[in-house]
Amino acid sequence: GQQLNQSPQSMFIQEGEDVSMNCTSSSIFNTWLWYKQDPGEGPVLLIALYKAGELTSNGRLTAQFGITRKDSFLNISASIPSDVGIYFCAGLGTSGTYKYIFGTGTRLKVLA
Amino acid sequence: DGGITQSPKYLFRKEGQNVTLSCEQNLNHDAMYWYRQDPGQGLRLIYYSQIVNDFQKGDIAEGYSVSREKKESFPLTVTSAQKNPTAFYLCATTWDRFSYGYTFGSGTRLTVV
Repeated sequence: GQQLNQSPQSMFIQEGEDVSMNCTSSSIFNTWLWYKQDPGEGPVLLIALYKAGELTSNGRLTAQFGITRKDSFLNISASIPSDVGIYFCAGLGTSGTYKYIFGTGTRLKVLA
Repeated sequence: DGGITQSPKYLFRKEGQNVTLSCEQNLNHDAMYWYRQDPGQGLRLIYYSQIVNDFQKGDIAEGYSVSREKKESFPLTVTSAQKNPTAFYLCATTWDRFSYGYTFGSGTRLTVV
């Protein structure tokens, strides 16, 4: 099955630093979602994007729907220890599908 | 409180046994999904159901079975035909506005002993 390419796969950062990650696809999507998963838990929705070029914020998180509709970006500003976890992107295609395609995840570790 | 309940949180299976993972929701969502998560591989779709008494295979359905007799429930059976069942299993739901994304349960970790 198709999966989206996320990068980086993992990253260690210092507390207070900004973080950027992205997700790319060979297909066009109508909707992009960003989720965070804490260890041993289910993913929780952070941000939803519905239009090419859209920029949406949720606290220290900002995500963008790429203008080509084949990519999306997530930025975390001034990272804190509780930002640790796995961040997943997910895309919903244009063909009337009811299934989201998930990225492979970016594992974030914050060093205090 | 509306939500999704997965049980049990941890499950151990002996070789050759079938086990059933429970997923119950009181969100009145129409569609339900089962995903498998392995380290470094993201989420892979096992089965999904858009309405009661109907379900579809996902990308990795071999060795798994499901039923959808009630809107609230979508149990997953991991059969003995699944050769590598050790993984984290996630149930998710969504309503008919699929663009709002999934709501996930807290997962079941299955280990073969």
